[in-house]
Amino acid sequence: LAKTTQPISMDSYEGQEVNITCSHNNIATNDYITWYQQFPSQGPRFIIQGYKTKVTNEVASLFIPADRKSSTLSLPRVSLSDTAVYYCLVGDKDQAGTALIFGKGTTLSVSS
Amino acid sequence: DAGVTQSPTHLIKTRGQQVTLRCSPKSGHDTVSWYQQALGQGPQFIFQYYEEEERQRGNFPDRFSGHQFPNYSSELNVNALLLGDSALYLCASSLGQGHYNSPLHFGNGTRLTVT
Repeated sequence: LAKTTQPISMDSYEGQEVNITCSHNNIATNDYITWYQQFPSQGPRFIIQGYKTKVTNEVASLFIPADRKSSTLSLPRVSLSDTAVYYCLVGDKDQAGTALIFGKGTTLSVSS
Repeated sequence: DAGVTQSPTHLIKTRGQQVTLRCSPKSGHDTVSWYQQALGQGPQFIFQYYEEEERQRGNFPDRFSGHQFPNYSSELNVNALLLGDSALYLCASSLGQGHYNSPLHFGNGTRLTVT
């Protein structure tokens, strides 16, 4: 089961680009990389998912190098409302014994 | 399109009691996973249900049990409640078996307080 390592916290200012890197050295061939955002007293919300190279959607980009041992979530021009905990997950949820496991996440604080 | 709904939103129980939490998955989803989230921690995986069977289980005692119904909804039961069971209980639904890149969709959880 691939374990992930993320920074505990990050600080940013409104309008800046924020990059959160996640390390997953033991990622398996079938594993996908998924990022979630969580606000206090709410369930995590899916942000973006990828397998390799770059994925972009309306809220974020995900960069995955060729060796897939790390990934970087990029949030363009953050606002105060992006203050939240961000989780990086690695796994294939349908494989027995590899249920998606959350770490402690990265607490992002955005200031004005 | 209704997302994942959980009930109740808040619950207060006494040590030793039993509790049942309920979850309705997102429309079209057939797999339900349950997580426990203590304050300041990431969600901890309890178990996952697919085709009305428990498919995977995390490191939780047998006091935690579940059920999935034919309509894919699910229940989480906790017996002999301990103070340490106080947490936010999250339900997540997804497409299972063959849809390995189907992300989890979470409800907003049930806040359980054990006194």
